[in-house]
Amino acid sequence: LAKTTQPISMDSYEGQEVNITCSHNNIATNDYITWYQQFPSQGPRFIIQGYKTKVTNEVASLFIPADRKSSTLSLPRVSLSDTAVYYCLVGGGTGGFKTIFGAGTRLFVKA
Amino acid sequence: GAVVSQHPSWVICKSGTSVKIECRSLDFQATTMFWYRQFPKQSLMLMATSNEGSKATYEQGVEKDKFLINHASLTLSTLTVTSAHPEDSSFYICSAREGQQSSPLHFGNGTRLTVT
Repeated sequence: LAKTTQPISMDSYEGQEVNITCSHNNIATNDYITWYQQFPSQGPRFIIQGYKTKVTNEVASLFIPADRKSSTLSLPRVSLSDTAVYYCLVGGGTGGFKTIFGAGTRLFVKA
Repeated sequence: GAVVSQHPSWVICKSGTSVKIECRSLDFQATTMFWYRQFPKQSLMLMATSNEGSKATYEQGVEKDKFLINHASLTLSTLTVTSAHPEDSSFYICSAREGQQSSPLHFGNGTRLTVT
């Protein structure tokens, strides 16, 4: 299974754009990259998933370079309610079916 | 969207008793579900993979006789913590995948277990 590395924590202010980068050097050919958000005492919530280049939905964008060894989750104009832990996961292809969580990034948004 | 319901949301039990946690996929069928445990300020730790109609696959270090998993139907998996002890107190979370292997996981809201 591809191991992921993310910054342990990040601070931001309301209204700013936040970019969280995840390294996954040994990603397998058919693996997808998925990001989840988790609030305290809740289960993780799906944010976005991609395979290559750029994916955008109503809450975030995901940038994946050509070598796919990293990815960047971009949250536009964060608010206080975006304070949470963000997890980058790699898998779903030949890298394996089960999902192993890394340490995640604790984002703290300040007023 | 796909919803995973987990019950109960919290439970307090006495040491030595058993507790059952249910995980249901409400609007989709899940041949495979996953069970995680999460301690405060830590990430989710995969405990086992629950397969409908067959035995669960446990991760290394997880006692299968202590954490009994039953996946009796395509929409229900249960985790029973047997002979619970205070060190089993944790946040237990289940997840299920709708569709193919590359599809995102859908998570339950977790169960806070406190063993006194």
